[in-house]
Amino acid sequence: NAGVTQTPKFQVLKTGQSMTLQCAQDMNHEYMSWYRQDPGMGLRLIHYSVGAGITDQGEVPNGYNVSRSTTEDFPLRLLSAAPSQTSVYFCASSLQVNTEAFFGQGTRLTVV
Amino acid sequence: AQSVTQLGSHVSVSEGALVLLRCNYSSSVPPYLFWYVQYPNQGLQLLLKYTSAATLVKGINGFEAEFKKSETSFHLTKPSAHMSDAAEYFCAVSGQGNTGTASKLTFGTGTRLQVTL
Repeated sequence: NAGVTQTPKFQVLKTGQSMTLQCAQDMNHEYMSWYRQDPGMGLRLIHYSVGAGITDQGEVPNGYNVSRSTTEDFPLRLLSAAPSQTSVYFCASSLQVNTEAFFGQGTRLTVV
Repeated sequence: AQSVTQLGSHVSVSEGALVLLRCNYSSSVPPYLFWYVQYPNQGLQLLLKYTSAATLVKGINGFEAEFKKSETSFHLTKPSAHMSDAAEYFCAVSGQGNTGTASKLTFGTGTRLQVTL
């Protein structure tokens, strides 16, 4: 039972590069979300989706894009990486927003 | 809008002592409240959740939390700390639904629990 799978686990980018963080879940969950975790700031919501074809912004969406073409996948795109995007990124999924969220193992991203 | 405030970014207790981690919430809709735990270099795991069925909620590993509407609080407790409880703990709030603020799961800034001998 894979749960929530994030790839890659580690990534180093140069300023201005773009990349996609992958997130896939095999639990048929409707709700998926992306968070970034920074020291002292907890988890901040970047984008979320309540179902295939529906996405919305969280509290820190600038510099990131998402799409949800299938129930299973919810990729996060960094359009032009900046050092301020150095962080640990977590993808999560749940049946609904008010049920247990299952988290991936995280992606540690460094932008130099 | 909804938010949670966790008082104390670091809490240190002796093994066997009471653990008390504080969380206050703000929500414009009836809240669903959660406590998650994060061990080093891992994702978050659910400890317990409040969904209005009962105000005292029991979770895994001997943790429990009490929902107090009058105080807008959802503090996490454990009667006797164990070394394995050392981790970071996050309080979170959501509403219910697919639109607007109610469809977001919002986390606090976390409390790091240290357990000493």
